[in-house]
Amino acid sequence: DGGITQSPKYLFRKEGQNVTLSCEQNLNHDAMYWYRQDPGQGLRLIYYSQIVNDFQKGDIAEGYSVSREKKESFPLTVTSAQKNPTAFYLCASSNYRTGSNQPQHFGDGTRLSIL
Amino acid sequence: GQQLNQSPQSMFIQEGEDVSMNCTSSSIFNTWLWYKQDPGEGPVLLIALYKAGELTSNGRLTAQFGITRKDSFLNISASIPSDVGIYFCAGRDTGNQFYFGTGTSLTVIP
Repeated sequence: DGGITQSPKYLFRKEGQNVTLSCEQNLNHDAMYWYRQDPGQGLRLIYYSQIVNDFQKGDIAEGYSVSREKKESFPLTVTSAQKNPTAFYLCASSNYRTGSNQPQHFGDGTRLSIL
Repeated sequence: GQQLNQSPQSMFIQEGEDVSMNCTSSSIFNTWLWYKQDPGEGPVLLIALYKAGELTSNGRLTAQFGITRKDSFLNISASIPSDVGIYFCAGRDTGNQFYFGTGTSLTVIP
């Protein structure tokens, strides 16, 4: 089945440690997105990528980094510079073409906690 | 970034009642989307709307794309316990950017 796979489901980070969250999609979508969700709040955009080897900062990019070496994959690294990383992280993808109205589809999320 | 104004923030209703929630934006959108999120899971797309005035149903769910292109509503008829969750609206503007509402938490009392 086509879809978006995020791993791991749960992740723990020690102080000063970088951790990487995986996101893979087999929907052949051009665009991929990373969001952060805090309890009782909506989604905040961290980074997005519309094509391979290109990505843009979202509203809260500080302390995060991404890469887009393959169309199917868009990993997110939470660096030690992110002082409040505990949150639910959601990856999404969509088709991106001028005039296209395709919606975003989401993975099942990764919950990151500080040890 | 822009956040959509979604209301109400939470709802507590009796099983069998109808539910209505809405979203407004300050700018024009060319797509409106409605998602449902269960605890610990990712949002699942319920309904997508692509034209002003469009009214679309998905089972007991009905959503409309506002004529002004700055609002949308979602109705759920005859609610059941499995309707519990958080409902998000989302819009896509003319620059292909997505924006999300802050969510409506729905509790259905059996």
